[in-house]
Amino acid sequence: DQQVKQNSPSLSVQEGRISILNCDYTNSMFDYFLWYKKYPAEGPTFLISISSIKDKNEDGRFTVFLNKSAKHLSLHIVPSQPGDSAVYFCAASRTGNQFYFGTGTSLTVIP
Amino acid sequence: EAGVAQSPRYKIIEKRQSVAFWCNPISGHATLYWYQQILGQGPKLLIQFQNNGVVDDSQLPKDRFSAERLKGVDSTLKIQPAKLEDSAVYLCASSLLGGTGKYEQYFGPGTRLTVT
Repeated sequence: DQQVKQNSPSLSVQEGRISILNCDYTNSMFDYFLWYKKYPAEGPTFLISISSIKDKNEDGRFTVFLNKSAKHLSLHIVPSQPGDSAVYFCAASRTGNQFYFGTGTSLTVIP
Repeated sequence: EAGVAQSPRYKIIEKRQSVAFWCNPISGHATLYWYQQILGQGPKLLIQFQNNGVVDDSQLPKDRFSAERLKGVDSTLKIQPAKLEDSAVYLCASSLLGGTGKYEQYFGPGTRLTVT
């Protein structure tokens, strides 16, 4: 039972343009959402998070949008840089417990 | 600040053998997690500790997997006996006490297990 889904396995974007990564979830009880970035042979690295009481959170080039009615969140990276090339995972949680991760989207930023 | 430490980084065993992984979380982090990541999938939570108590182990195959967190710091995850389908990367993560509202997890580099 996949409670968090990332339907795009891969995404390619030109350097300087916007990257938009999408994530859908099924459990309306999730109240905290996170995005992680992963390079090969390393553990995931925390990027940005959002609580269900908000619909947007911004940190530098990274912005996460949450649409609770659609059970959808997205990560925007502007401008995209070659160093952003990695696998991105979204994750959802209920009050800090029962974390569920998506299957990941591999982002390639083309110089 | 030192990150989450895990050992070994790689392990190859035959099926039906046993194996143990070790994790040392970031100092001061009360919550510790073990995840299993099979190739092509996202991390799957196996067990979550808060201090030395278990918060969630609903997805831990308890017939063969066990985990403990001694004194609320280091943790070990054991598989006995291993099966071919246990081949995966085992990730340990830690976070500050969840009550602060900050649930960001910091991951170690993982242990890649191959069962032959």
